[in-house]
Amino acid sequence: AQSVTQPDIHITVSEGASLELRCNYSYGATPYLFWYVQSPGQGLQLLLKYFSGDTLVQGIKGFEAEFKRSQSSFNLRKPSVHWSDAAEYFCAVAEGNFGNEKLTFGTGTRLTIIP
Amino acid sequence: DVKVTQSSRYLVKRTGEKVFLECVQDMDHENMFWYRQDPGLGLRLIYFSYDVKMKEKGDIPEGYSVSREKKERFSLILESASTNQTSMYLCASSLGQASTNEQFFGPGTRLTVL
Repeated sequence: AQSVTQPDIHITVSEGASLELRCNYSYGATPYLFWYVQSPGQGLQLLLKYFSGDTLVQGIKGFEAEFKRSQSSFNLRKPSVHWSDAAEYFCAVAEGNFGNEKLTFGTGTRLTIIP
Repeated sequence: DVKVTQSSRYLVKRTGEKVFLECVQDMDHENMFWYRQDPGLGLRLIYFSYDVKMKEKGDIPEGYSVSREKKERFSLILESASTNQTSMYLCASSLGQASTNEQFFGPGTRLTVL
């Protein structure tokens, strides 16, 4: 079965600083990978997704992520964070077979922004 | 605009009560999902449905059941609520049967069982 590890429970960065959130997955075949963000009191919103092709994917709100098969990683990055980026971030993996819609989520990383 | 709505944002119930959590989507999506979210555990899939009257167990179905009588509505039922079911419950929907499709989430229902 697939699994997702987000090793950082909580990260604090200064506004304007760069950000990298780590995600490692375990899946035998080519994974379908996602990053979601959950702002306080809100549901989850998709930031970006990777299925194939270019290993660097661009998402909304200035985020990007890079798929590295050799490291089984899909880390999320942003060059300069804004106070509004404070939220919880979830990495997820889906089975790569057509017809299977299930996602397996990581435990999340809470991001705090300091002025 | 895509929308998934959940019947309540906050709910307080007593142990042993039957609890219904309702989810409605207006996107004509085939797939619908129920997750529970707990600190340090992330989201865990309870049940999902890929068509009307169809359902499949997720990773933690024990103590829950679901109903999908109409395409737009997916209900989560706690037959006899227990304190360990206190949690945030999230509903989601997605289009079609390809894993590439984005799941759209509702705002969540925070359930407290006393």
